Amino acid sequence: AQSVSQHNHHVILSEAASLELGCNYSYGGTVNLFWYVQYPGQHLQLLLKYFSGDPLVKGIKGFEAEFIKSKFSFNLRKPSVQWSDTAEYFCAVRAGSYIPTFGRGTSLIVHP
Amino acid sequence: NAGVTQTPKFRVLKTGQSMTLLCAQDMNHEYMYWYRQDPGMGLRLIHYSVGEGTTAKGEVPDGYNVSRLKKQNFLLGLESAAPSQTSVYFCASGQGNDQETQYFGPGTRLLVL
Repeated sequence: AQSVSQHNHHVILSEAASLELGCNYSYGGTVNLFWYVQYPGQHLQLLLKYFSGDPLVKGIKGFEAEFIKSKFSFNLRKPSVQWSDTAEYFCAVRAGSYIPTFGRGTSLIVHP
Repeated sequence: NAGVTQTPKFRVLKTGQSMTLLCAQDMNHEYMYWYRQDPGMGLRLIHYSVGEGTTAKGEVPDGYNVSRLKKQNFLLGLESAAPSQTSVYFCASGQGNDQETQYFGPGTRLLVL
């Protein structure tokens, strides 16, 4: 069975700081990878996804993620965060079946 | 095009009461899912459906039942609510192919006293 680990449970940054959130998965075959974001009081929305091709994926709002197959990782990055990026971020992996597995989430707080 | 909608948005139950949460999608998606979200636990899959008339258990199915009588609707039932079922419930839908992205509803906040 696939599993997803998000090592950073809570991250606090100042505005303009750089962000990197870790996501590792356990599955040796072909995977589809996702990052979702949940703003306070809202539902989950897709930030970006990787299915194939260029392992560096660009998403909305300046976010990007890099798929490193040898490290089983799909880390989320943003060079300069804003207060409006305060949210919970979920990594998800789909392997084999069409049922994705979600990580436990990382709560990001950006203060002015 | 409303996407994925959920009713109700908020509900308070007493232990032992029953209720049904309704999820509806207007995107003609084959796959539908019910998750619960609890602090520090992320999203956990309760049940899912790969098409009208089919359902399957997810990671935490105990205490819940589901039905998918119509393609656009996915119902989640609690027959006898327990305080451990206090949570936020999210429904999602997807195309069910290898390019699937999930679309989530706004959530239902349930408090069981």
